[in-house]
Amino acid sequence: EDQVTQSPEALRLQEGESSSLNCSYTVSGLRGLFWYRQDPGKGPEFLFTLYSAGEEKEKERLKATLTKKESFLHITAPKPEDSATYLCAVHSFGNEKLTFGTGTRLTIIP
Amino acid sequence: NAGVMQNPRHLVRRRGQEARLRCSPMKGHSHVYWYRQLPEEGLKFMVYLQKENIIDESGMPKERFSAEFPKEGPSILRIQQVVRGDSAAYFCASSSSPNTGELFFGEGSRLTVL
Repeated sequence: EDQVTQSPEALRLQEGESSSLNCSYTVSGLRGLFWYRQDPGKGPEFLFTLYSAGEEKEKERLKATLTKKESFLHITAPKPEDSATYLCAVHSFGNEKLTFGTGTRLTIIP
Repeated sequence: NAGVMQNPRHLVRRRGQEARLRCSPMKGHSHVYWYRQLPEEGLKFMVYLQKENIIDESGMPKERFSAEFPKEGPSILRIQQVVRGDSAAYFCASSSSPNTGELFFGEGSRLTVL
């Protein structure tokens, strides 16, 4: 069974203070790893797809990286509007569903 | 270009009543997924449907829960004889193709069972 563990559960940063969120995963065969952003009271919003170890994707202040066992979401010089819960999910071969982690709740303090 | 539309956004039911949650996918999307989110828990897969077909219902409880996606109209998640443990946010997502993890989610339907 696919498993996803995210850490930390919550992270508070000062505006401009860079950091990384971790997503460890166990799958039988990785089809793709996904990062989503979820704001309070809203549905998740797709950010990135990573398919193979060594791959990197960037979007504004966010960069996602992937190894064979984990993914990192690096946030550089964050702003208050980056505050949200960031969800990691895996999609494995032979599966129709995404398996999500419980998320990291990120708070950026002005 | 409307996104995924879910209604109602909030629903309150008493124990034993029925809850019906509706989802209209994005235009051109024929693949619909339902997920449930409990407080402090991750999104849990419930069911994957294509038009008129249930493809994977491995995450659906065997009793009281059913889903459909008719040829015309929205997808419906139906919960019969609700219990307090059914209180959660139910999210619908859609995609334009199968075997993709790039899903477009609605804003969710929040069910409260009294």
